[in-house]
Amino acid sequence: EAGVTQFPSHSVIEKGQTVTLRCDPISGHDNLYWYRRVMGKEIKFLLHFVKESKQDESGMPNNRFLAERTGGTYSTLKVQPAELEDSGVYFCASSQEMGAGEKLFFGSGTQLSVL
Amino acid sequence: SQQGEEDPQALSIQEGENATMNCSYKTSINNLQWYRQNSGRGLVHLILIRSNEREKHSGRLRVTLDTSKKSSSLLITASRAADTASYFCARDNTDKLIFGTGTRLQVFP
Repeated sequence: EAGVTQFPSHSVIEKGQTVTLRCDPISGHDNLYWYRRVMGKEIKFLLHFVKESKQDESGMPNNRFLAERTGGTYSTLKVQPAELEDSGVYFCASSQEMGAGEKLFFGSGTQLSVL
Repeated sequence: SQQGEEDPQALSIQEGENATMNCSYKTSINNLQWYRQNSGRGLVHLILIRSNEREKHSGRLRVTLDTSKKSSSLLITASRAADTASYFCARDNTDKLIFGTGTRLQVFP
C-alpha cells in the first residue's frame, strides 16, 4: 500500500513568486491534514479536510495560503505571493477516521525556501 | 500557545544508554501520542497513551502520563544509533493533533 506522498520534496523560490505543493493521501483516507514546521519550532497545524470539505482551517496563516482538495482525493496548498517567513517544511498527513485516538500517516514533507 | 513543549530540546547519548524525553501541555487531553521523525522523512507514529492510562510499553519504548501535572515522558531503553531522530509528542484536540517543539536525539555508536 502506498503511503502519503508529497511533491515536490524541495522548492526554492524568490519572494513574490507562487508555489503549489501537492499531497496524495493514502487511498481511502477521508481525512487530510496540512502542517508546517518553521526552523526547528513546533509542528504547527494549518488545516484539515474531510473528503473535499474544509473541516478546520484555523491554522492557515493568512489569505496568501489557499488549500484545495477537489474530488476528495489529492490536495494542493498554494502560497501566493510567497514571503520570506513562509520558508519551512510543509507536511501532509492523512487518516482513515477522525477523532480521538486516530493516528496520522505523514508524508516526507516539502522543504520550501523563499529567498 | 496551545502547543506542547518537549524537553530537552536536544539530547546526546551513547549507544546502550537510556534516553528520556519529556512533554508538557496546557489543556486537558483524551490521549497523547508520540511520533518520531528521521531527518528528511515524515513523522512516524510510535505509541498512544489514553488519559486514563498511566504507563504504556511498546518494545524498548515506555511512555508515562501524569494528567495532574499535564506531562508525559518517553523512555527509550538500550538506545541504538538508529534511534537518532527527532521525537514529538502530540495531544488530540477534537479532530486534529497539536504537536510540540520536539526533542532532537543523537545516539553515538
